[in-house]
Amino acid sequence: SQKIEQNSEALNIQEGKTATLTCNYTNYSPAYLQWYRQDPGRGPVFLLLIRENEKEKRKERLKVTFDTTLKQSLFHITASQPADSATYLCALPPSSSASKIIFGSGTRLSIRP
Amino acid sequence: NAGVMQNPRHLVRRRGQEARLRCSPMKGHSHVYWYRQLPEEGLKFMVYLQKENIIDESGMPKERFSAEFPKEGPSILRIQQVVRGDSAAYFCASSPRTGERTGTEAFFGQGTRLTVV
Repeated sequence: SQKIEQNSEALNIQEGKTATLTCNYTNYSPAYLQWYRQDPGRGPVFLLLIRENEKEKRKERLKVTFDTTLKQSLFHITASQPADSATYLCALPPSSSASKIIFGSGTRLSIRP
Repeated sequence: NAGVMQNPRHLVRRRGQEARLRCSPMKGHSHVYWYRQLPEEGLKFMVYLQKENIIDESGMPKERFSAEFPKEGPSILRIQQVVRGDSAAYFCASSPRTGERTGTEAFFGQGTRLTVV
């Protein structure tokens, strides 16, 4: 069955630096991958979607890469700010063998001033 | 267009009671997912429904838990005879369609926090 892993449970970095979060998956060749942000006590909010034929996608200070050979997506936040502190989740779409959207366990990002 | 509405936001039940969690998807959305989240943990899939059909309930406990998404009205997640271990945040998400290649995002509600005392 498909598995998705975010191998950093928590990440602490200095304000202004670039935060890089990793998402790895196995037993699947998804047509796209999504990233979400979740703040404490709230539901996840969609941030970005990257398709299999896109190497990189940008949105303001966010950048996502998708390496289908490595089966990995990287999520970057440049010029990080304390307001970027949240949990970030990657998600795989449904497949021919599983109809559900599968979420990674998330990386809790803390940006210190 | 209102977002996904979940109610109640907070629900307290005594052990043995029933909990009913409601989710109204966004207008035009016919796909609903339910997820459970424990503190400091990720989202665990429970069930995926389309109008009047359960598509995937592989994440639902076999006993005490049930879900429905009727033709009219909200989706309901029902937990019978609640136990302390059922205490968690339950999130509902909706999308207009879903599939391997359609690339549709899921819109989440704010969740229902169930506390069993």
